[in-house]
Amino acid sequence: GESVGLHLPTLSVQEGDNSIINCAYSNSASDYFIWYKQESGKGPQFIIDIRSNMDKRQGQRVTVLLNKTVKHLSLQIAATQPGDSAVYFCAENDWYSGGSNYKLTFGKGTLLTVNP
Amino acid sequence: KAGVTQTPRYLIKTRGQQVTLSCSPISGHRSVSWYQQTPGQGLQFLFEYFSETQRNKGNFPGRFSGRQFSNSRSEMNVSTLELGDSALYLCASSLEKPSTDTQYFGPGTRLTVL
Repeated sequence: GESVGLHLPTLSVQEGDNSIINCAYSNSASDYFIWYKQESGKGPQFIIDIRSNMDKRQGQRVTVLLNKTVKHLSLQIAATQPGDSAVYFCAENDWYSGGSNYKLTFGKGTLLTVNP
Repeated sequence: KAGVTQTPRYLIKTRGQQVTLSCSPISGHRSVSWYQQTPGQGLQFLFEYFSETQRNKGNFPGRFSGRQFSNSRSEMNVSTLELGDSALYLCASSLEKPSTDTQYFGPGTRLTVL
């Protein structure tokens, strides 16, 4: 889940298992959410997004689930591979934070480690 | 289509100096956002530009500034560098609004202040 301090939550899985990374977002008015993957030494890479009029969206090996009732977002990675090892961030368009609609607010991230 | 590019990729400066970082967005993207990423604070929003205008600014001191050119390329400047400015500076572009259009990141500029 989301980190509120200096330490990233971590998730360690075996290669081939499914991974689930969770994110609690802060603003019930947020209506656009994105998951990013960041490998060491690289910029965040877009994985998948979802708008609030959907509960689920699927991509290649990834599924994002949105539960607006409890303000919860999850990223499911099927058949996790060593190349999936990275930090995963969720982001929301935090409409009312600062009163602007021109930015995303990012969570602290979750470190996924895939063991061969 | 080429991705977001940032130059330089690495910089080493000393306290008190100033630095300028450059970002070229994806072709056709008019919104450019800048973020600072540190291990302790995560990804923090600096500012966002669209059509050469700053539309939003994060909670950073005035030493951090930016601009956008007519071709959507953007630069950010940090004056009077402090040790705490050491970070990965990321640029991201989107079509028009980062709040509703997918935002794509560049590889970042790693700034080290000694």
